[in-house]
Amino acid sequence: DAKTTQPNSMESNEEEPVHLPCNHSTISGTDYIHWYRQLPSQGPEYVIHGLTSNVNNRMASLAIAEDRKSSTLILHRATLRDAAVYYCILRGYNAGNNRKLIWGLGTSLAVNP
Amino acid sequence: KAGVTQTPRYLIKTRGQQVTLSCSPISGHRSVSWYQQTPGQGLQFLFEYFSETQRNKGNFPGRFSGRQFSNSRSEMNVSTLELGDSALYLCASSLFPGDQGSSGNTIYFGEGSWLTVV
Repeated sequence: DAKTTQPNSMESNEEEPVHLPCNHSTISGTDYIHWYRQLPSQGPEYVIHGLTSNVNNRMASLAIAEDRKSSTLILHRATLRDAAVYYCILRGYNAGNNRKLIWGLGTSLAVNP
Repeated sequence: KAGVTQTPRYLIKTRGQQVTLSCSPISGHRSVSWYQQTPGQGLQFLFEYFSETQRNKGNFPGRFSGRQFSNSRSEMNVSTLELGDSALYLCASSLFPGDQGSSGNTIYFGEGSWLTVV
């Protein structure tokens, strides 16, 4: 199974950077690392994804370890609107296997004003 | 373009009844997944359909079933409802199934259907 491990909760102050870690030691060579976040009373929304290289977009940056067994989502300047549950999952090619996607509980991020 | 649409948004059912939830994916998306979300268990994968075929299934009892139609719309059904089935049921769509990793294959979620079983 494609399992990831994240801390249950983290806290940050507004306008400070936040580093959200994720371990995925069972990642296979063709798995993409995806991050989603879920705001209160909404469905999860896409944040960023990557394969091997670090990635940046308007929402966040994704730093991927050289061995790909861990990654870190970076919010450069946290705002109150970034308070959400952040999920790290693996999406990949594994022909013929019945891989069960496991989301887990994610990391609940609190942002203090 | 329109996002993932789920109906109904809220519903209350009685123990023992059955319920059907509907999901319309983003236009052009052929993969639809369903998830159950409860406070204690987080996001739990139910099943995934692609081109009308169930491609992947989570660890839920047979009371939970689903199907996908030729227009990619999907329904899930829960029979003989139990109190523990009270949850937010989320539908998500993507271009390809979760085990096909072209660049991205981003998942787009609907707002969910809140089911309360009394």
